[in-house]
Amino acid sequence: EVQLVESGGGLVQPGRSLRLSCAASGFTFDDYAMHWVRQAPGKGLEWVSGISWNSGSIGYADSVKGRFTISRDNAKNSLYLQMNSLRAEDTALYYCAKDIGGDPTGSDAFDIWGQGTMVTVSS
Amino acid sequence: SYVLTQPPSVSVAPGKTARITCGGNNIGSKSVHWYQQKPGQAPVLVIYYDSDRPSGIPERFSGSNSGNTATLTISRVEAGDEADYYCQVWDSSSDHKVFGGGTKLTVL
Repeated sequence: EVQLVESGGGLVQPGRSLRLSCAASGFTFDDYAMHWVRQAPGKGLEWVSGISWNSGSIGYADSVKGRFTISRDNAKNSLYLQMNSLRAEDTALYYCAKDIGGDPTGSDAFDIWGQGTMVTVSS
Repeated sequence: SYVLTQPPSVSVAPGKTARITCGGNNIGSKSVHWYQQKPGQAPVLVIYYDSDRPSGIPERFSGSNSGNTATLTISRVEAGDEADYYCQVWDSSSDHKVFGGGTKLTVL
């Protein structure tokens, strides 16, 4: 069964850091680009970051650039998001999503999604 | 940055046809993907590359894209189709994936 399972969310104070993880199974992880997409409570979907199959191509939304770092470990079939200098507006459910292709840029869709991990930034 | 505009809500009676639009500047030149999100659940891809359906998605779901508007069409709407629907494209100028604001489909 193709599956993505996120973890690492929680309550964190503004300015602090958090690291999210996504464990992949049921497909050849290192063939595909992977992404983080977030959804603030009651709001729509927002693409956060994407990484190519070999980590050679990485992209970030303007809202997180310079604060968040995406990475992957193909040997562990895992995707990560290091989030620093967190702000209240980063409060959201963070989804891990698989790209149809190997490049995070380009016209491909997200064909598999995890159930998400909630990040709450509050003092 | 590239903006995708969706109507906040669409209502349709069971058995009828629902059309959800996604507007963007020359969106017909881009590949559009559509996701369905039911309450408390993760999004599910229902249409990709404008009009392709992933395996397991009913034929009642179809898509089109031309000019400045892409459209998701759901035929013979069922109560189980009630959900939020999001369109998504890739913006080549910013190298970002972009989502529309979402449309809540209500089945009357």
